[in-house]
Amino acid sequence: GAVVSQHPSWVICKSGTSVKIECRSLDFQATTMFWYRQFPKQSLMLMATSNEGSKATYEQGVEKDKFLINHASLTLSTLTVTSAHPEDSSFYICSAYGKVYNTEAFFGQGTRLTVV
Amino acid sequence: QQQVKQSPQSLIVQKGGISIINCAYENTAFDYFPWYQQFPGKGPALLIAIRPDVSEKKEGRFTISFNKSAKQFSLHIMDSQPGDSATYFCAASKDFGNEKLTFGTGTRLTIIP
Repeated sequence: GAVVSQHPSWVICKSGTSVKIECRSLDFQATTMFWYRQFPKQSLMLMATSNEGSKATYEQGVEKDKFLINHASLTLSTLTVTSAHPEDSSFYICSAYGKVYNTEAFFGQGTRLTVV
Repeated sequence: QQQVKQSPQSLIVQKGGISIINCAYENTAFDYFPWYQQFPGKGPALLIAIRPDVSEKKEGRFTISFNKSAKQFSLHIMDSQPGDSATYFCAASKDFGNEKLTFGTGTRLTIIP
């Protein structure tokens, strides 16, 4: 299958700072990328859907000014957590969907964010 | 309705046994039903997926059974091994996977010797 690389794998930041997480599709062009958030022992919660070159579509209850998503190219999407607070600590996962692979969306390895 | 209900929440199976996880959905527009395996600290990985035009799909030790009229689907893991110990999520989406996935709540599977 295709490879989706997420960076960094883990990050610790101070409260009030911003953190950027990258999601790259390494061997295919991702027409759509999805960003999820997962709390310990819980399911994945979709935060937003982004299509290359257009604004992301956020799920209800997700603050778009806090979680900035950019999908500038067919192989890269970024999630920036702005003015992070301890309650933003979570496991963030991206997935990428490319028409080459038809129905399958491939997931990154996730980023563990800890805000102190 | 976008909900996908998954059971059980946790499951302990002896090595060599059959692990069975069930999911039910409400939205009849769903037409793509994947199962994902997730290890601690890792992203989910696709195990197997099915479309509603078939009632069963098998890949190695993993089988999906699909009941369209009951709006239910299940994952069977034959000859379960300790390496299968992980959290399993069912999911569903529309447009054959082109749209966002709706995930079940997850099942923590533990295979004991």
